[in-house]
Amino acid sequence: DAKTTQPTSMDCAEGRAANLPCNHSTISGNEYVYWYRQIHSQGPQYIIHGLKNNETNEMASLIITEDRKSSTLILPHATLRDTAVYYCIVRKHNFNKFYFGSGTKLNVKP
Amino acid sequence: EAGVTQFPSHSVIEKGQTVTLRCDPISGHDNLYWYRRVMGKEIKFLLHFVKESKQDESGMPNNRFLAERTGGTYSTLKVQPAELEDSGVYFCASSQEMEQYFGPGTRLTVT
Repeated sequence: DAKTTQPTSMDCAEGRAANLPCNHSTISGNEYVYWYRQIHSQGPQYIIHGLKNNETNEMASLIITEDRKSSTLILPHATLRDTAVYYCIVRKHNFNKFYFGSGTKLNVKP
Repeated sequence: EAGVTQFPSHSVIEKGQTVTLRCDPISGHDNLYWYRRVMGKEIKFLLHFVKESKQDESGMPNNRFLAERTGGTYSTLKVQPAELEDSGVYFCASSQEMEQYFGPGTRLTVT
């Protein structure tokens, strides 16, 4: 599975959109981009995943560049409860394991 | 629908003792995974069951760790004998489609 690169930390004002970038320049054609988050010491929480089209659900939007070498997770109206570590993971379309990197620590501030 | 549950939530044992962690996946999920995070490190994969069969156990650190999933429902992870470096949070996840759903974890402290 391809490696990902994410900023170590980011700040976002409450109520504003949080845009979390992820670089996955070695992604291959059959690999999906997943986003998870871990709030404090809870279990990782699934957010969204996509292959090449942009995706949106009730939690977030996922924007994948046309060359698929990078993506952005968008939380449209960040709240204090969105403070967490966000993980961008690339995985083939199977039931294989996830590789969690260091993620991005998102701090939502009042 | 109930999520993934894990028991106990916390366990404190002495070095050399045995501990058994339990995971109940979401009902109907054939795939069950164990992960762990040791202090200051990233979350690491341990193993993957498909029903009762071990599909991938490449992440198991050594033979002190034994995972079972009899009947393809709940799973147990036994550590025997426990060592100090086994301290951390053990997560279980289950899936039926592409996304994995994680439990709250078991915090294991070996003293």
